[in-house]
Amino acid sequence: LAKTTQPISMDSYEGQEVNITCSHNNIATNDYITWYQQFPSQGPRFIIQGYKTKVTNEVASLFIPADRKSSTLSLPRVSLSDTAVYYCLVGDLNNHKLSFGAGTTVTVRA
Amino acid sequence: SAVISQKPSRDICQRGTSLTIQCQVDSQVTMMFWYRQQPGQSLTLIATANQGSEATYESGFVIDKFPISRPNLTFSTLTVSNMSPEDSSIYLCSVEDAGYEQYFGPGTRLTVT
Repeated sequence: LAKTTQPISMDSYEGQEVNITCSHNNIATNDYITWYQQFPSQGPRFIIQGYKTKVTNEVASLFIPADRKSSTLSLPRVSLSDTAVYYCLVGDLNNHKLSFGAGTTVTVRA
Repeated sequence: SAVISQKPSRDICQRGTSLTIQCQVDSQVTMMFWYRQQPGQSLTLIATANQGSEATYESGFVIDKFPISRPNLTFSTLTVSNMSPEDSSIYLCSVEDAGYEQYFGPGTRLTVT
């Protein structure tokens, strides 16, 4: 499983865009990039998944450059309820096993 | 998506005892997973539990300590045996859908005294 590196914490304010970059220099050809969100006292929740270029859903966007050695999760116009830990995971989907790193604690302030 | 419930939501147990945690899913799923999240830490996969086969354990976790049952496609149990304070953690189950998304239960918060 590819090792990931992401910032330990980020602070933001309501209405701002938050971008979290994850480094995964040893990503393998079959690996996908997946992001999960975890609120206190809850299990993680799937946010978005991608292989290359850009993926967008109703919650976030995921930007993946051509070399795939990093990826950026973009949360548009965050609110206080977006305060959570965000995990970047890289792995072969057929492996089915999730390897969680330390995650990024995002704190949104009013 | 899948909705997952866990019982108990929390418990306080004495060292040397065992606790069985239940995980119930609202749909039939093949793959189910058990994770541990120690205080202030990230999640660590304990084992994969597929219906009809023995659970497969990750490095550092053994069946004698964490026996798992998977009697059908909607239910699983994880037992934490002969507990010590180091077993104090949140234990979570998850399932994977056909789109490779995993859905997690709310977790069971275990405190061992």
